[in-house]
Amino acid sequence: DTAVSQTPKYLVTQMGNDKSIKCEQNLGHDTMYWYKQDSKKFLKIMFSYNNKELIINETVPNRFSPKSPDKAHLNLHINSLELGDSAVYFCASSQDPGTRDTQYFGPGTRLTVL
Amino acid sequence: GNSVTQMEGPVTLSEEAFLTINCTYTATGYPSLFWYVQYPGEGLQLLLKATKADDKGSNKGFEATYRKETTSFHLEKGSVQVSDSAVYFCARLSGSARQLTFGSGTQLTVLP
Repeated sequence: DTAVSQTPKYLVTQMGNDKSIKCEQNLGHDTMYWYKQDSKKFLKIMFSYNNKELIINETVPNRFSPKSPDKAHLNLHINSLELGDSAVYFCASSQDPGTRDTQYFGPGTRLTVL
Repeated sequence: GNSVTQMEGPVTLSEEAFLTINCTYTATGYPSLFWYVQYPGEGLQLLLKATKADDKGSNKGFEATYRKETTSFHLEKGSVQVSDSAVYFCARLSGSARQLTFGSGTQLTVLP
């Protein structure tokens, strides 16, 4: 059974388009996250939601908007895509955002903006 | 701020060699420490973790000990296999920051 799943796995699109990436977890966790991995493999947090409420919002362009319809889902919508948005985006979840909790990652979505 | 410094790669070893990947962290607060592994074309998988000083995390022959005195969490394996070829990430989780901070990742290639 897949614990954290993301769709699509690959996304190729033109500059200026709007796209969404979906994430679902079946672990019963309360907290979900989006991370961005650049071409040098560097990973950085973008957003975190706990029980559908935004708790982390790093310095990310407001073209990126997370949406959490329920605590098992955290989608990422990106407006007016730019070349620099090309990256691998990872969703993750944990039981709560406390210090001891392991985050479990999805398989990633490779976004390529042409 | 919170940061993690990881040994730069790439690291290339022969099968059955001893592996060490160094990781140090900033000492702010009492973080939990993790090693994640990313196999080619896949997402991150938790390899091991330690939540307090002197804890040792271990899994699949890999070990790392939470050393508060040296603010380190070095990853070791006594005998690597070709299947261990991957990118390894050290990370710290701080309750106050509520987020994982990753090191830059170390690419390991094990040759037969």
